Amino acid sequence: DAGITQSPRHKVTETGTPVTLRCHQTENHRYMYWYRQDPGHGLRLIHYSYGVKDTDKGEVSDGYSVSRSKTEDFLLTLESATSSQTSVYFCAISDAGGSPGGYTFGSGTRLTVV
Amino acid sequence: AQTVTQSQPEMSVQEAETVTLSCTYDTSESDYYLFWYKQPPSRQMILVIRQEAYKQQNATENRFSVNFQKAAKSFSLKISDSQLGDAAMYFCAYRTTGNQFYFGTGTSLTVIP
Repeated sequence: DAGITQSPRHKVTETGTPVTLRCHQTENHRYMYWYRQDPGHGLRLIHYSYGVKDTDKGEVSDGYSVSRSKTEDFLLTLESATSSQTSVYFCAISDAGGSPGGYTFGSGTRLTVV
Repeated sequence: AQTVTQSQPEMSVQEAETVTLSCTYDTSESDYYLFWYKQPPSRQMILVIRQEAYKQQNATENRFSVNFQKAAKSFSLKISDSQLGDAAMYFCAYRTTGNQFYFGTGTSLTVIP
């Protein structure tokens, strides 16, 4: 979607290897999020950020870490990928709380861990 | 924590007919926002409609409308004059005052020509 890009779009990796997914926005939004999407579970929050260097855990954060050194970039790292982390990962951005805005989503990254 | 429930994993509708997708949620907040997102096979998440909890009037966007029942914590999506392009997965979402979103598990909508 315009204003937010995810890379890579697809990735296949081996169990035990580190993986980093990147989310880049040009909207200058404060909030950024990483979700994973799995059949029967909908979208579940992994980590989110409410500013540069300000991050917090979501409901499924185990095995994941994040970093946000610049407003526009939010990185998701799988330190040692496992098969249970095979999923579609979405980045989302949102403007400041209190407004009625929804999320703007990236196009997703399909990650396969073999 | 807030929970969002979509009890219909799959729905189907004839082209040009009307279909309603159900969503219920659980919260102790009085002020919040509700959303419906559409995810076609392209995987892109597209905002369909939003509702602010403090507004009594149900939101409408062209052929899409909601039935928001705050006391019952229900937020259903009605699609009128269904089109083939409406076929997708639909997610109901709740946004807290702290700007966190919770999603339901989705309803897969098939449109039959």
